[in-house]
Amino acid sequence: EAGVVQSPRYKIIEKKQPVAFWCNPISGHNTLYWYRQNLGQGPELLIRYENEEAVDDSQLPKDRFSAERLKGVDSTLKIQPAELGDSAVYLCASSLPGLAGGMNIQYFGAGTRLSVL
Amino acid sequence: DAKTTQPNSMESNEEEPVHLPCNHSTISGTDYIHWYRQLPSQGPEYVIHGLTSNVNNRMASLAIAEDRKSSTLILHRATLRDAAVYYCILRDWGRDDKIIFGKGTRLHILP
Repeated sequence: EAGVVQSPRYKIIEKKQPVAFWCNPISGHNTLYWYRQNLGQGPELLIRYENEEAVDDSQLPKDRFSAERLKGVDSTLKIQPAELGDSAVYLCASSLPGLAGGMNIQYFGAGTRLSVL
Repeated sequence: DAKTTQPNSMESNEEEPVHLPCNHSTISGTDYIHWYRQLPSQGPEYVIHGLTSNVNNRMASLAIAEDRKSSTLILHRATLRDAAVYYCILRDWGRDDKIIFGKGTRLHILP
């Protein structure tokens, strides 16, 4: 069974340019997450989807970040315009529906490493 | 959310057992203890979780103190492939799905 697939693996852009990351979750996983991981830190949640609905986007910087999951499967995270401080690894994860925090297991993709010059 | 405390780094020799400690003195009765690990250039992967009793799976064992204020992840026979950052995380059984990662323990395996 395929895991969570993310692309691209690496992206280098100049500041003020737009960038987009794509995620395909594990089949049947209705819940999808985007995390950001700064160097030497643990991942931090940006947004969580239940099917098409963003149920927790409190940590998403909405002035420049946007995300969508139009058909409840694939998702795209966009930054426009990118800033130097956005350099990080962007991780996507998915999980089965209906399991609360204690029993919920998240499966992560390999991430996209973004470098903003 | 209740917090966990882990050593920044640990070393172990290959083919020896490894005990990774985690303190969670403010754990609540509804918090599960989860462990994830992150191999170099990979996303985190689930290792094991438990509530009160010790747990075993193919990857590791989880030993939970009787008062639940600490736990230990046990790798029975470490290999070079176990070199990773290990995260100890508390997750409320009935609340939202957010995982709050700390900095974890970086485990170095010596050949």
